[in-house]
Amino acid sequence: NAGVTQTPKFQVLKTGQSMTLQCAQDMNHEYMSWYRQDPGMGLRLIHYSVGAGITDQGEVPNGYNVSRSTTEDFPLRLLSAAPSQTSVYFCASSYAPGRSSYNEQFFGPGTRLTVL
Amino acid sequence: AQSVTQLGSHVSVSEGALVLLRCNYSSSVPPYLFWYVQYPNQGLQLLLKYTTGATLVKGINGFEAEFKKSETSFHLTKPSAHMSDAAEYFCAVRKFQGAQKLVFGQGTRLTINP
Repeated sequence: NAGVTQTPKFQVLKTGQSMTLQCAQDMNHEYMSWYRQDPGMGLRLIHYSVGAGITDQGEVPNGYNVSRSTTEDFPLRLLSAAPSQTSVYFCASSYAPGRSSYNEQFFGPGTRLTVL
Repeated sequence: AQSVTQLGSHVSVSEGALVLLRCNYSSSVPPYLFWYVQYPNQGLQLLLKYTTGATLVKGINGFEAEFKKSETSFHLTKPSAHMSDAAEYFCAVRKFQGAQKLVFGQGTRLTINP
């Protein structure tokens, strides 16, 4: 199992550019989520999905879009990048509530994004 | 609403000394509590979790945490620090019952002095 994979590892954008951060998992997890990590603020939830075709907003959704067309993939789209979106982005996945191991979220290695 | 406060953004201990990382939470439902560790330039890895049952929870790498309902605390400890424990540690609480959303504390960076 590769677990949770994220690409790219590093990205530099100019203000106003758009891009997609990729996330994939091979554990057949129903639940997937995107977090951003900023110094002194821990991780904050951007968007999440409880299954293919179902997404919802987290704490800090503005400026980001997501879709979930398959169980495996959960891309995060930045529509028009801003310097405030400079951060480290983590994707995570887990089983849905009711499965035996549903409490543990598995995290990808992160994407470090800089917006100039 | 659920929230997590980690006391001390930076903790420094000597190798072999006791590690104590503090976490206090607030939760309107019986809490599920987690400690994650993040090594430099890596993602988060689950150290341990409390869901129900025994209040003293043992995790990987010799860490343990005790759930104290009366103090709303879930402090992380390790009797003897090792250089490889240098990392950032995050406490988290499940946002609400039946959900997978986690609310994270701001993190504590642990430095180990030789």
